[in-house]
Formats: sequence, structure tokens, C-alpha cells
Amino acid sequence: GAVVSQHPSWVICKSGTSVKIECRSLDFQATTMFWYRQFPKQSLMLMATSNEGSKATYEQGVEKDKFLINHASLTLSTLTVTSAHPEDSSFYICSARRAGAVTGELFFGEGSRLTVL
Amino acid sequence: GIQVEQSPPDLILQEGANSTLRCNFSDSVNNLQWFHQNPWGQLINLFYIPSGTKQNGRLSATTVATERYSLLYISSSQTTDSGVYFCAVSAPKAAGNKLTFGGGTRVLVKP
Repeated sequence: GAVVSQHPSWVICKSGTSVKIECRSLDFQATTMFWYRQFPKQSLMLMATSNEGSKATYEQGVEKDKFLINHASLTLSTLTVTSAHPEDSSFYICSARRAGAVTGELFFGEGSRLTVL
Repeated sequence: GIQVEQSPPDLILQEGANSTLRCNFSDSVNNLQWFHQNPWGQLINLFYIPSGTKQNGRLSATTVATERYSLLYISSSQTTDSGVYFCAVSAPKAAGNKLTFGGGTRVLVKP
């Protein structure tokens, strides 16, 4: 299979603090990972593309200083929400593509639900 | 960027019924995937289908790339089929083959 795991699944934090979410590909290597955000009853919106060993590419309107992405290895990407505010409360989902795969199929983690008080 | 539209937005089915979900996209694609989002939010891969037809149990999908649409068929629906179905595509021009999602079809299967 192709398993992607996120941690934590749920996190509640106080306004002004920073929160780190991890995305791991458990049984494959991923040179590229993607971070999505989903508000209640809405679709998934791409935030950024994370490339192993290089800077992330952010979508228009996404603050790169607010959402720090690090892809330090072929199996791990992290998203840090800095100085979180209540409007950052959302469901964050990562996805990964198997390095060297013939197809472009993406596999998704189980998501991380952030609540900022 | 590429636009993805799904229809219908909502669908209520009686258990045992069949249904068809549609995904239209605005440009050529090199990746098309169907997902089922369960009540806990996890996206379950259903099909990777940039073209052609595939079947997996009660589910099947067809993509007609030249006409820019894909269909997901659910046969003999069960209550566990409830949830949101998303179609997502990537275009050859998209950097990193990033997926763009449609708005989803929210399915409720009643017993």
C-alpha cells in the first residue's frame, strides 16, 4: 500500500501559540508532498507544495511566514502554524506522491483538526 | 488554473439504489482521482483514472478525457457509502502535478 500518516489528529491551542503538524509517508519515499486546508462543508484548497530539500512553493494568498513548511527528508514534511489565531482553525490534510512512481497518484493522510481558542 | 465542477452537490439515496456522480473539468488533465471523504475527514482513494474505465466492487468510474468529464457510479448503495465524494485533477501545465479539487458531492444513503 501507500500509507500517509499525520500527527496530531486533533490539536487545541491558545491564540498566539505555534502548532506543528507532521506528515509522514510510512512505506514509501516522497520527494513531493502537498498541504491542503479544508473549512467545514467546503472543498480542499491547496496551500503549498513541499519539495524535499528545497523551499516550499505557496499558493497565491497563503502567507508563507504564517504557515512554515519544512520537508527535511523523503518521508517527512511538517507544517507549522505560527502565532495561531481563531481564524486559523481548520482541517489540514497532507498528501504525498511516491518518488519514482509511473503514475501521478496522490495518497492522503488522515488529516489534522486544529482549533485555536 | 483548471476548473473542476461536480454535480449534483447533494444526493439522497435509498439503500440499494444506484447513482451517478459527474465531474467536469476545464482543461486537459494528466491525473484524475476520485475520493470518498468519511465522517472523520479521511480521504479514501477510490480510483486513479485519467482515462478509461475501472471497476472496484460496487463502484466504477469512467473518464472521457477528450470530452473533459468523469463519472463515478455507485451501485446497490449502502449506508456506509454516505459521505462526500471528491473528484480532483491535475493538468500537465501544473507545477508538481498538484491536484485541484471539485466542490464535492455530499451523499446520504438512507436505510
